[in-house]
Amino acid sequence: EVLLVESGGDLVQPGGSLRLSCATSGFTFSAYAMSWVRQAPGRGLAWVSSISSGGDATYYADSVKGRFTVSRDNSKNTLYLQMNSLRAEDTALYYCANAGSSVGTSPFDSWGQGALVTVSS
Amino acid sequence: SYVLTQPPSVSVAPGKTATMTCGGDGIEYRSAHWYQQKAGQAPVVVISHDSDRPSGIPERFAGSNSGDTATLTISGVEAGDEADYFCQVWDTETDHWVFGGGTKLTVL
Repeated sequence: EVLLVESGGDLVQPGGSLRLSCATSGFTFSAYAMSWVRQAPGRGLAWVSSISSGGDATYYADSVKGRFTVSRDNSKNTLYLQMNSLRAEDTALYYCANAGSSVGTSPFDSWGQGALVTVSS
Repeated sequence: SYVLTQPPSVSVAPGKTATMTCGGDGIEYRSAHWYQQKAGQAPVVVISHDSDRPSGIPERFAGSNSGDTATLTISGVEAGDEADYFCQVWDTETDHWVFGGGTKLTVL
């Protein structure tokens, strides 16, 4: 069974930082591109970032570029999202998802249940 | 940047056919994927690569993509199909994933 479990969500003040983790099991993590998608309360899905299977290529939405950093540890089957300079508009449920062998070629087959990030003073 | 446009809502009676559209400039040249998201749950892919149905998705779900519109069709709609539906494509010009705004399907 494929499992993705996000952690690290919290309440943080504007300008603060947070690191999300996504622990995975049930598939060959190192063979899959991975992505982060967020959903603000009552809103639709918004792609945040993707990373290639080997970690050598990363992609970011314009709204987070320069503030967020995606990374992965294939030895630990874990995906990360380092979020800096957080803003109120970053408040959302953050999902991790796996998506094929190469970024952009396949849909997001499996999703976690999400980690809630709230940016507020 | 590439934009996908979905109608905010679609309503259909049980047993009828629901049609949801996803508009984008030349979307036929991109591979469209569709997700179903029920209340309080993570999204699930119901159609991939325009018209492929993943394992476990009922045959009632079908997809097509032509011109500037990708379409998700659910035939014989059931109460359990009530959910938000999102389309998605990969924009090769910007190397960004793009989601549509989503359509809320209401089963009357």
